[in-house]
Amino acid sequence: AQSVTQPDIHITVSEGASLELRCNYSYGATPYLFWYVQSPGQGLQLLLKYFSGDTLVQGIKGFEAEFKRSQSSFNLRKPSVHWSDAAEYFCAVGANQAGTALIFGKGTTLSVSS
Amino acid sequence: EAGVVQSPRYKIIEKKQPVAFWCNPISGHNTLYWYRQNLGQGPELLIRYENEEAVDDSQLPKDRFSAERLKGVDSTLKIQPAELGDSAVYLCASSFTGLAGGADTQYFGPGTRLTVL
Repeated sequence: AQSVTQPDIHITVSEGASLELRCNYSYGATPYLFWYVQSPGQGLQLLLKYFSGDTLVQGIKGFEAEFKRSQSSFNLRKPSVHWSDAAEYFCAVGANQAGTALIFGKGTTLSVSS
Repeated sequence: EAGVVQSPRYKIIEKKQPVAFWCNPISGHNTLYWYRQNLGQGPELLIRYENEEAVDDSQLPKDRFSAERLKGVDSTLKIQPAELGDSAVYLCASSFTGLAGGADTQYFGPGTRLTVL
């Protein structure tokens, strides 16, 4: 079955510290992977995506993610967290087919302490 | 460029009442999605349109939910009658699906938060 697992429900990081949010997927075909961020009362904003090529992808707001096929993972990282990064983060997987619905993980809530 | 527009942003109704949500996708996007996001969960697809055709509605509870996308642009999602368990955020997303195929990027609206009392 196709699924996305985000093992950490809630993470607290000190401002200025590094961040890594974990994402593991189970998908029968070549996965296309996404990270979205959702602030309270807001919709989902795309942070970055992996379709093919370089397995380290850069996104907006200083985020990056690395696709590791052998580990079925697509972890999100940021070297220095800002207070404004506090939000909920969703990993999602889709197929190499236009118009395919995304399968989302349950999300990780990030809190940033001063 | 305007993003995906949804209205209303919030809706509170009593159970058994009808409710409707509206979505206007990004200009030029031919594929439109309705997702439902329950509290503490990721979004789950309800229905997907390519132009005006519903191509995936397998997860839509058809006994009470209906959707339409007349003219292949904006879309309306309706619930009648609403149940307590329908309380959730309803998200609309759009993407451009080209003839060449391949994955496309979905852009989401702000959502409609529905509370059923």
